Amino acid sequence: GQNIDQPTEMTATEGAIVQINCTYQTSGFNGLFWYQQHAGEAPTFLSYNVLDGLEEKGRFSSFLSRSKGYSYLLLKELQMKDSASYLCAVYNTNAGKSTFGDGTTLTVKP
Amino acid sequence: DAGITQSPRHKVTETGTPVTLRCHQTENHRYMYWYRQDPGHGLRLIHYSYGVKDTDKGEVSDGYSVSRSKTEDFLLTLESATSSQTSVYFCAITPSRDTDTQYFGPGTRLTVL
Repeated sequence: GQNIDQPTEMTATEGAIVQINCTYQTSGFNGLFWYQQHAGEAPTFLSYNVLDGLEEKGRFSSFLSRSKGYSYLLLKELQMKDSASYLCAVYNTNAGKSTFGDGTTLTVKP
Repeated sequence: DAGITQSPRHKVTETGTPVTLRCHQTENHRYMYWYRQDPGHGLRLIHYSYGVKDTDKGEVSDGYSVSRSKTEDFLLTLESATSSQTSVYFCAITPSRDTDTQYFGPGTRLTVL
């Protein structure tokens, strides 16, 4: 089965850096996704990590350690529009589907 | 944006009535999914489809059925709606099982009284 843990809520200040962690235990692993979801809207794709290491995409970076079952999403130069929920999801090729964590609600304050 | 729509966008119904939600895509993607999202539970998979007339159950499939008679349409039916099925329902599509990057529809907010 899959067990995915991420913090429920985080608060950060505009212009700062925030790191959202995700840990997982899984019987099969192909890759890890991060999605962003603004209140009242659908989730949208942010990143997909298959190999260990850091992948950078503009202000957002995502890190994966397969041996530790650990990932984080790093948001730099926070903006008010970054206030949203961030969903971690593990893809299992054996099952052919992704399992989502409960999401981390990030609030960015002025 | 992926061409994926859901209908209706909002629905209020009474306990015991059947309800059908529709997901329509214009991307010709093979894989389609239905999720529900409730506070504190994230996205939970209800049913998914690998192709026309090829469907399988997810983790919370009790009380739900699906049908896929055409590539572009994936229907979710609540056979006899209950208050516990009040939720936001999202449809998602993905072009490939190699990566499973999912693109979500706008969601349907269902209230069962």
